[in-house]
Amino acid sequence: GAVVSQHPSWVICKSGTSVKIECRSLDFQATTMFWYRQFPKQSLMLMATSNEGSKATYEQGVEKDKFLINHASLTLSTLTVTSAHPEDSSFYICSARNRDSGNQPQHFGDGTRLSIL
Amino acid sequence: EDQVTQSPEALRLQEGESSSLNCSYTVSGLRGLFWYRQDPGKGPEFLFTLYSAGEEKEKERLKATLTKKESFLHITAPKPEDSATYLCAVQAISGTYKYIFGTGTRLKVLA
Repeated sequence: GAVVSQHPSWVICKSGTSVKIECRSLDFQATTMFWYRQFPKQSLMLMATSNEGSKATYEQGVEKDKFLINHASLTLSTLTVTSAHPEDSSFYICSARNRDSGNQPQHFGDGTRLSIL
Repeated sequence: EDQVTQSPEALRLQEGESSSLNCSYTVSGLRGLFWYRQDPGKGPEFLFTLYSAGEEKEKERLKATLTKKESFLHITAPKPEDSATYLCAVQAISGTYKYIFGTGTRLKVLA
């Protein structure tokens, strides 16, 4: 149980393109999803917290207009990197928290490797 | 300020050589401490949750313990397949459920 699916797993696109990444909880409902960015050999950096039906809460230093987050249902959140540039290239990972849990762990997707040319 | 520090940064062990990874934390009220394993190019895989000092959890060759200031992940008789990055995260009581991650320990177990 507690499976989180992230799609696509890998994307290469040209500078200036917008890229959408999907995060789905497959066997549970997630009121809260989290989006992280990870650089090589570094830990996960939280970008934003996404709550179903409301606006995302962004961490300090993360551009809201660059990284658009939508959490339209209890099983789906999307991250859109708008007008992507090479510096946006990174490993993006989502996680989801079970709505029925008290203090259950976050469950992570397998990440999306984004490369901007 | 809430903070999590993991040590060592990297660790190389011979197969069968037991060791411990450390996660020290400073948080204004601990809701939970979480251990994850991350393989290259993958998302973190959940291992353990610890809630209060004195608590211990075990799974195969791994055992996690918790005090008021730190947590240890003990690896007994490791195998090469235990090679991964081990991440520690804490959740503070202060309202949200977000994690504060440590920088991780990269473990390599040699056959």
